[in-house]
Amino acid sequence: DIQMTQSPSTLSASVGDRVTITCRASQSISSWLAWYQQKPGKAPKLLIYMASSLESGVPSRFSGSGSGTEFTLTISSLQPDDFAIYYCQQYNSYSPLTFGGGTKVEIK
Amino acid sequence: EVQLVESGGGLVQPGGSLRLSCIASGFTFSSHWMSWVRQAPGKGLEWVANINQDGNEKYHVDSVRGRFTISRDNAKNSLYLQMNILRAEDTAIYYCARDGVAAGIYFDFWGQGALVTVAS
Repeated sequence: DIQMTQSPSTLSASVGDRVTITCRASQSISSWLAWYQQKPGKAPKLLIYMASSLESGVPSRFSGSGSGTEFTLTISSLQPDDFAIYYCQQYNSYSPLTFGGGTKVEIK
Repeated sequence: EVQLVESGGGLVQPGGSLRLSCIASGFTFSSHWMSWVRQAPGKGLEWVANINQDGNEKYHVDSVRGRFTISRDNAKNSLYLQMNILRAEDTAIYYCARDGVAAGIYFDFWGQGALVTVAS
């Protein structure tokens, strides 16, 4: 199975900050990576697919980069609505599809 | 508007069975892979199973293989998860999720989730 490791597990930041979350795969997954945002009591929401493609309707302050085993999600200027938990997911291997452990972005 | 609505969750005793359903609308259901993803209380996301457009290709995570079965009925725009021999560690919110339109299996739409609690 491909293991996905996110860092940090918690991130404290202020509105307006530039925020970067890292996701590392235990083996190369090319660009088969997605990022999701989840708020309390809600289903996850797709932000990025294919490592760097922005999902329709997602604000342009979100961006993704990377390939192989190391990936990043960047929020260029953190907004109040962005405080949430973020997950990466690999889909290089269909079985099993695996998620990272999550990164909680909280208010500093 | 794409909608996925789960039902069938509830409280069940260890060793019991439950069947989750997900009714899809707003898109051509028969054109998409579909998945179940779960989230234990306070924990992260875990993919459980997925199924191809025709229903003849299915995958299950090791921890549920032999106990859970994913299926679909394209005529009813419905996805199912039959869960047998339930264990306490199966307690979670179960989300129905649609495969995205680009290549590969990621999830562009999710249902609101169905809570399954396994306890005596």
